[in-house]
Amino acid sequence: AQKITQTQPGMFVQEKEAVTLDCTYDTSDPSYGLFWYKQPSSGEMIFLIYQGSYDQQNATEGRYSLNFQKARKSANLVISASQLGDSAMYFCAMREVPQKVTFGTGTKLQVIP
Amino acid sequence: DTGVSQDPRHKITKRGQNVTFRCDPISEHNRLYWYRQTLGQGPEFLTYFQNEAQLEKSRLLSDRFSAERPKGSFSTLEIQRTEQGDSAMYLCASSLVRGGRETQYFGPGTRLLVL
Repeated sequence: AQKITQTQPGMFVQEKEAVTLDCTYDTSDPSYGLFWYKQPSSGEMIFLIYQGSYDQQNATEGRYSLNFQKARKSANLVISASQLGDSAMYFCAMREVPQKVTFGTGTKLQVIP
Repeated sequence: DTGVSQDPRHKITKRGQNVTFRCDPISEHNRLYWYRQTLGQGPEFLTYFQNEAQLEKSRLLSDRFSAERPKGSFSTLEIQRTEQGDSAMYLCASSLVRGGRETQYFGPGTRLLVL
């Protein structure tokens, strides 16, 4: 079974609209962490947001929020008010104990003016 | 410079040669990760250090791969007897856990081409 599943290979969103990128995960560890990263065409990997498995509240970082539904094992990224500069690949990742990290296959987001 | 740096940025080598990459993490970060990324794929975890201790190593990391982090500062990743399948981007990341939250920063990567 895939540890991290991103079912949307590509997404389009209109500028200034909100968009949700899906991520589901599979683990039997009670303690884990979930990450989202952005990778523009230039290639650098940019950390966006982190959610710990014990966190009661959804993580937020500026325009990014993580919709964490533990029972459903989902950790969707919500980007509000999309900007042209948000066009990039987005990767969801999970860190399990001790520290192995698994990435999903990514979602390519394109923001349309 | 307060970011993660990697050296070299590009490396071209012939099959069978050894290569070594260096990563300098953000100074107060005690966690350091190495990943490998091939074109069109997500990064694959290779290994993890907490301070100078290597606590986790992927099965992807064959005996030809070795990583060190002497004194818990910079880290090196060595690939011996390179193969064409080793061609990839090698990414280093460092992170800090504060208040139960982890923030992870990546370096620009070292792109390896094995001929």
